[in-house]
Amino acid sequence: GQQLNQSPQSMFIQEGEDVSMNCTSSSIFNTWLWYKQDPGEGPVLLIALYKAGELTSNGRLTAQFGITRKDSFLNISASIPSDVGIYFCAGQLYSNYQLIWGAGTKLIIKP
Amino acid sequence: DTAVSQTPKYLVTQMGNDKSIKCEQNLGHDTMYWYKQDSKKFLKIMFSYNNKELIINETVPNRFSPKSPDKAHLNLHINSLELGDSAVYFCASSQLDGGFNTEAFFGQGTRLTVV
Repeated sequence: GQQLNQSPQSMFIQEGEDVSMNCTSSSIFNTWLWYKQDPGEGPVLLIALYKAGELTSNGRLTAQFGITRKDSFLNISASIPSDVGIYFCAGQLYSNYQLIWGAGTKLIIKP
Repeated sequence: DTAVSQTPKYLVTQMGNDKSIKCEQNLGHDTMYWYKQDSKKFLKIMFSYNNKELIINETVPNRFSPKSPDKAHLNLHINSLELGDSAVYFCASSQLDGGFNTEAFFGQGTRLTVV
């Protein structure tokens, strides 16, 4: 099946650093979603984006729907220990409304 | 109250057995999904049901059979379990609204270990 290109695959950062991750595709999307998965839990929605160019914040998290409708990024400012986890992007395809997923970005915060 | 609940949370079973995982959502959504997350944490959709009808069936062995008795339930039955079936299985639900899927809500997952 189709898959989004999500990068980086993993990040090792110091507490307090800013984090940036993105998802790209050759397909056009009408929705972008960013999820976080904690160990032993299901993914939980962080931010939903519905319009090209839309920039949305949720606390220290900011995500943008790319103007070409083929990409999205998620930024986390001033990371804290509870930010560790796996972040997934998901996009709903414009062509058939199917939701497809990135492979995830694993965020690890160095003590 | 849990929006999407699946049971059991852990399931350890022997190869060749048949097992079921149950999922219920109380969000009033009309679309439900089963995802498989392997050891590399990649989320792969297996099935999608809209109003009890199958709309997505990715390449999944026919040993896996979803059953949706009503809009709020989507159960997953697996026959003749194999070692490679070991994974975490997530149920999710969303609402199809004018052709757009709202964000999916996930259950806590069922960790299946086949020994």
